[in-house]
Amino acid sequence: QKEVEQNSGPLSVPEGAIASLNCTYSDRVSQSFFWYRQYSGKSPELIMSIYSNGDKEDGRFTAQLNKASQYVSLLIRDSQPSDSATYLCAGGPWDKLSFGAGTTVTVRA
Amino acid sequence: GAVVSQHPSWVICKSGTSVKIECRSLDFQATTMFWYRQFPKQSLMLMATSNEGSKATYEQGVEKDKFLINHASLTLSTLTVTSAHPEDSSFYICSARSGLATDEQFFGPGTRLTVL
Repeated sequence: QKEVEQNSGPLSVPEGAIASLNCTYSDRVSQSFFWYRQYSGKSPELIMSIYSNGDKEDGRFTAQLNKASQYVSLLIRDSQPSDSATYLCAGGPWDKLSFGAGTTVTVRA
Repeated sequence: GAVVSQHPSWVICKSGTSVKIECRSLDFQATTMFWYRQFPKQSLMLMATSNEGSKATYEQGVEKDKFLINHASLTLSTLTVTSAHPEDSSFYICSARSGLATDEQFFGPGTRLTVL
């Protein structure tokens, strides 16, 4: 079983809609969780970090963590064409992050 | 803040030659840097963890004699791919942890290696 699994997508949403990305992890001792955005041919860019249960909001992005269910999600509100990218979920101890396969999001204008 | 650079951004080399990739933290000191490899349409795979002043820790299946890592200072880590072969062609990305107070890793722009 992969340590971090994401809903594989691809996900297509109209401009202005909410994009919902999900991720589950298998290692209960994981403490740190991150969402990265990766444009084609580029390296990942950190969007959000979350360490404790609950919601964390930053602009149009909201991350949710539920350690009991081993689940972390990312909501993108008011999706823009510039949000079209692959989103990587990562989790684990700080010195050995595991990355999901990524969910490709396309925002239709 | 938390800017990481890599050089070169892309390199093409002949089979059997060695290639060195540099990773620098520009505006912070990074006690720990990480080296990842990403094949097309796949996710990032951690190759090794590099700590300043000590030997790198390699992940299972990564040949330490083929992928030489040196972390000589708090702002520079290098990855040398020795005797490169076409199967080593990939996107190599480094990241750096910005400090003890956070677990966040910031990625360099990556180096695309093509071995002919």
